[in-house]
Amino acid sequence: DTGVSQDPRHKITKRGQNVTFRCDPISEHNRLYWYRQTLGQGPEFLTYFQNEAQLEKSRLLSDRFSAERPKGSFSTLEIQRTEQGDSAMYLCASSLAGRGVYHYGYTFGSGTRLTVV
Amino acid sequence: KNEVEQSPQNLTAQEGEFITINCSYSVGISALHWLQQHPGGGIVSLFMLSSGKKKHGRLIATINIQEKHSSLHITASHPRDSAVYICAVTGNQFYFGTGTSLTVIP
Repeated sequence: DTGVSQDPRHKITKRGQNVTFRCDPISEHNRLYWYRQTLGQGPEFLTYFQNEAQLEKSRLLSDRFSAERPKGSFSTLEIQRTEQGDSAMYLCASSLAGRGVYHYGYTFGSGTRLTVV
Repeated sequence: KNEVEQSPQNLTAQEGEFITINCSYSVGISALHWLQQHPGGGIVSLFMLSSGKKKHGRLIATINIQEKHSSLHITASHPRDSAVYICAVTGNQFYFGTGTSLTVIP
C-alpha cells in the first residue's frame, strides 16, 4: 500500500457537466476525509466517513455535491451541474481513528485538480 | 521519502507549557500552511507563510526559506489546543506532512 490514491489527477470539464472523483485510502484506515482547496487558501473541510458512515458534512457541501463510501473502502465525490466556482483542488485524506482524539497515520492524497470552463 | 517531514509525531503537554512543532520540506514552494484538525474532522487553516513570521493570539509560525524549515509555537497551551497539526506546502502540487497529534492535559 503506497498511500492515499486519488483519480484523476486533473479534470477539465464544461460548466453544467457532472464529474466524479475517486479516493482510495490506506487499506487499514477507517476514516476518510474530503477537502477542497482554492488558490491561495488553506484546505476547507467538506465531509468525512468513519467506515461507510458519513458522519459530518460541511455547509460547503451543497446539494450538488454528494459523497459515498459504500463498502467502507474507497470513496467517490460527485459534483453535479458544475459551476466555475467549483474549480479547485479536491483533496482526500485517511487516518486510523483510535480511542478518543487520537488519529494515526494521517495521510493526504495528491489531490484532483478540477477546472470548470 | 516524504517531501514534508513533521516532528514530533505525537506530543503530550501539561496545560501552560510552551509547545513547538517542527516542519522540514525538500521541494521548492510558493507557500507553507499550518493546519489544525480537531477530532470531529473539520480542518482549520491557521497560517499561510511565504517568509518570516506570523502571530495569531497564542500561536506563532515562523519559516526559514533558506533552511526549508518552519516551526509552529503555541504559548500558554490549553486543553482546547488538543488537535492534529498539519504542515503542508504548495509548489507544483500540494504536499502534506503526516501531522502531529497534540494532547494538552489540564
